[in-house]
Amino acid sequence: DTGVSQDPRHKITKRGQNVTFRCDPISEHNRLYWYRQTLGQGPEFLTYFQNEAQLEKSRLLSDRFSAERPKGSFSTLEIQRTEQGDSAMYLCASSSLFGTDTQYFGPGTRLTVL
Amino acid sequence: DAKTTQPPSMDCAEGRAANLPCNHSTISGNEYVYWYRQIHSQGPQYIIHGLKNNETNEMASLIITEDRKSSTLILPHATLRDTAVYYCIVRVGADDKIIFGKGTRLHILP
Repeated sequence: DTGVSQDPRHKITKRGQNVTFRCDPISEHNRLYWYRQTLGQGPEFLTYFQNEAQLEKSRLLSDRFSAERPKGSFSTLEIQRTEQGDSAMYLCASSSLFGTDTQYFGPGTRLTVL
Repeated sequence: DAKTTQPPSMDCAEGRAANLPCNHSTISGNEYVYWYRQIHSQGPQYIIHGLKNNETNEMASLIITEDRKSSTLILPHATLRDTAVYYCIVRVGADDKIIFGKGTRLHILP
């Protein structure tokens, strides 16, 4: 399967701990997006990269959140000092700069903060 | 905010065609209509997109009205595995983020 992959699929942590998620996009895709989805809501945009450059960040991305894509391939999303309100599904998507930029999503990482 | 309006839920009998409507009355000339679906606890799955013309692929058909203010996603022979939330989205093809609304929760009835 050459789709978008995310790791881990599930993460349970205690409030105040740091967590890091990884996303591996489709290999030829140079755009990578992070979204967050809480129960009963549609996904909400967090940030996106074109190659290694982070081009846009949502105001949802507080100072405790940081995303990187150091070599323009995989990306990591780190949450520092987690809070219960951070509990959500974190989704990654990738797309090609060329064509109509259809985004393909990974399976998501479900975060539970106790 | 999402630029589309969808009914919150719909039912469809298994084996019948499921027709999911979407209103996008403020769509711009360069905006595409995209459909995604999300099965419980999975990431959104791309279904189809179109600009002006009707489109068909192995999953579904997309019918866009001539004035482009509304569209319909058609699943020709719905199965239980089509039970999901379906999102209708309008966006410029080369734009960046997707703005999701609440979608339509489709229940396929056996």
